[in-house]
Amino acid sequence: GIQVEQSPPDLILQEGANSTLRCNFSDSVNNLQWFHQNPWGQLINLFYIPSGTKQNGRLSATTVATERYSLLYISSSQTTDSGVYFCAVEPVIKAAGNKLTFGGGTRVLVKP
Amino acid sequence: DAGVIQSPRHEVTEMGQEVTLRCKPISGHNSLFWYRQTMMRGLELLIYFNNNVPIDDSGMPEDRFSAKMPNASFSTLKIQPSEPRDSAVYFCASSLKYSRNQNSPLHFGNGTRLTVT
Repeated sequence: GIQVEQSPPDLILQEGANSTLRCNFSDSVNNLQWFHQNPWGQLINLFYIPSGTKQNGRLSATTVATERYSLLYISSSQTTDSGVYFCAVEPVIKAAGNKLTFGGGTRVLVKP
Repeated sequence: DAGVIQSPRHEVTEMGQEVTLRCKPISGHNSLFWYRQTMMRGLELLIYFNNNVPIDDSGMPEDRFSAKMPNASFSTLKIQPSEPRDSAVYFCASSLKYSRNQNSPLHFGNGTRLTVT
């Protein structure tokens, strides 16, 4: 099946710092989503971004589908950004609609 | 919109007992997913329904696991008999499927933390 690798696995930031999280995937995808799992375990959808660039407040994401990677940018990080960030994809060849394969996540800790 | 609602939030049971997890998807969504999250295996898709019909249950670990969706607003995941290795957080998620390649973003419930002793 499709492989999804996220880097770095862990990230410690000082409040106010910027960071970039990366997601590499092994096959062409028609669906890519970024999620944030907060310290209470809730999974929140951040972006639905199979290609192109989107921005939502201090967060933005870019997917370069032809090169099989996506980036999540966090600017001016806040302690509430702490948690685990997951990338999830669905390969074109098995497109069924949101049948996503998740990466291992990047654990982010923002220190005050 | 109340979001995806799961119950119970926590479940502690003894090995061999039957466990039933419940999910109410977002109104209007026609796709429903059950995921399991563990430290060792991360987030795994167990089963996927579209228009109340199970489309893919290849992720269901074994026959002890079963899932139903009797109508568009309710689904259950049942484990019978439960075993300690079933301990995990079980998430339900829903979305709207427009066409084969077009979907709304996936929305997750808050999960059910299952502990089997």
